[in-house]
Amino acid sequence: TQLLEQSPQFLSIQEGENLTVYCNSSSVFSSLQWYRQEPGEGPVLLVTVVTGGEVKKLKRLTFQFGDARKDSSLHITAAQPGDTGLYLCAGLYGQNFVFGPGTRLSVLP
Amino acid sequence: NAGVTQTPKFRVLKTGQSMTLLCAQDMNHEYMYWYRQDPGMGLRLIHYSVGEGTTAKGKVPDGYNVSRLKKQNFLLGLESAAPSQTSVYFCASSYPHSPLHFGNGTRLTVT
Repeated sequence: TQLLEQSPQFLSIQEGENLTVYCNSSSVFSSLQWYRQEPGEGPVLLVTVVTGGEVKKLKRLTFQFGDARKDSSLHITAAQPGDTGLYLCAGLYGQNFVFGPGTRLSVLP
Repeated sequence: NAGVTQTPKFRVLKTGQSMTLLCAQDMNHEYMYWYRQDPGMGLRLIHYSVGEGTTAKGKVPDGYNVSRLKKQNFLLGLESAAPSQTSVYFCASSYPHSPLHFGNGTRLTVT
């Protein structure tokens, strides 16, 4: 069983649309991170959220950490083809990070 | 600034063969990790190290060994490769409890 679940698993949208992807767990995390991974490359950190209820913005990306620190969401406004990739959430669990299975996003021009 | 460098990028092994994957980081990070990535499974931690000369098991350590003789290097060994070890392997490094910096992966196929 996955400690972290992500939904949807796949998402294909048109350029300019908005979308939200989710990261959920039954466990509490001291911090949670979002990464983006492009084909043939390693994941690259987008953001770290630490405080329950925290909202962080990175240009057109908005990240929210749930009040109970068990879940998080990533909202993209006016998606662009450059947003295409695999979005991974990772929670700090004990000494290590646990990763969700990812949401594969495809933004069509 | 190279960051995290993994070698080789691709490798094909026959069942039963052995190999070593090399990871090098130039950021003076204390922690280093080896993950494998499989479709629908996310990144799963194989082994990790919290400092030179130390190693610890992750969630999926069976069939793998590691060594951290120098702070900047973390080696992952497969003693007797099996088809179930076909995967993409990622090395990462970090300061304690800080964001991970990943290499670009090694794609391993075991036939």
